[in-house]
Amino acid sequence: SAVISQKPSRDICQRGTSLTIQCQVDSQVTMMFWYRQQPGQSLTLIATANQGSEATYESGFVIDKFPISRPNLTFSTLTVSNLSPEDSSIYLCSVASPDRADTGELFFGEGSRLTVL
Amino acid sequence: AQKVTQAQTEISVVEKEDVTLDCVYETRDTTYYLFWYKQPPSGELVFLIRRNSFDEQNEISGRYSWNFQKSTSSFNFTITASQVVDSAVYFCALSEAAAGNKLTFGGGTRVLVKP
Repeated sequence: SAVISQKPSRDICQRGTSLTIQCQVDSQVTMMFWYRQQPGQSLTLIATANQGSEATYESGFVIDKFPISRPNLTFSTLTVSNLSPEDSSIYLCSVASPDRADTGELFFGEGSRLTVL
Repeated sequence: AQKVTQAQTEISVVEKEDVTLDCVYETRDTTYYLFWYKQPPSGELVFLIRRNSFDEQNEISGRYSWNFQKSTSSFNFTITASQVVDSAVYFCALSEAAAGNKLTFGGGTRVLVKP
């Protein structure tokens, strides 16, 4: 298993500002994933962050709005830019299970709950 | 394209009742994996089970059991003798080998177990 720590756990931000969420893993992992969970909704994949290359974004998500960094194999950040109330969500970092990476099995952090006023 | 449907948005039961959560999936891939995750009020997702497309054996783990039926593209989850601590949102998810094993989640079913 992997232990994933996310910071901040929650934040309240003003419209137009940006928030950077940090994700730290206790082991080296190849792929890290960022998900968004809007209030009362399911999880939607934002992007896949690979170390040493640019993140791969899913349809509907763009780098200008959700820039991602992946400086090493244990750390990643997701920035949510130019915040609007519609960005109020839980943002979750996840990593593939080390010994089951080919199955899609993921471990998740506790999430960062963002509220935009 | 892969899709997961959880038709039940919320289920309310009294403690000790059994509860079954439905999950129906769509995929064109012959190699895929199905998952159930639990999201308690604290927010983190807890992995419960993984099943691959070639293994239709039902599984039981304590009070949890899973029924995988490829003929109906279903992967249902039953909690036997429910407890208050089972109150959570439960997500069914699918990953296809052809899609790089990205997880697609169903809409989730909120289970409320009343004492």
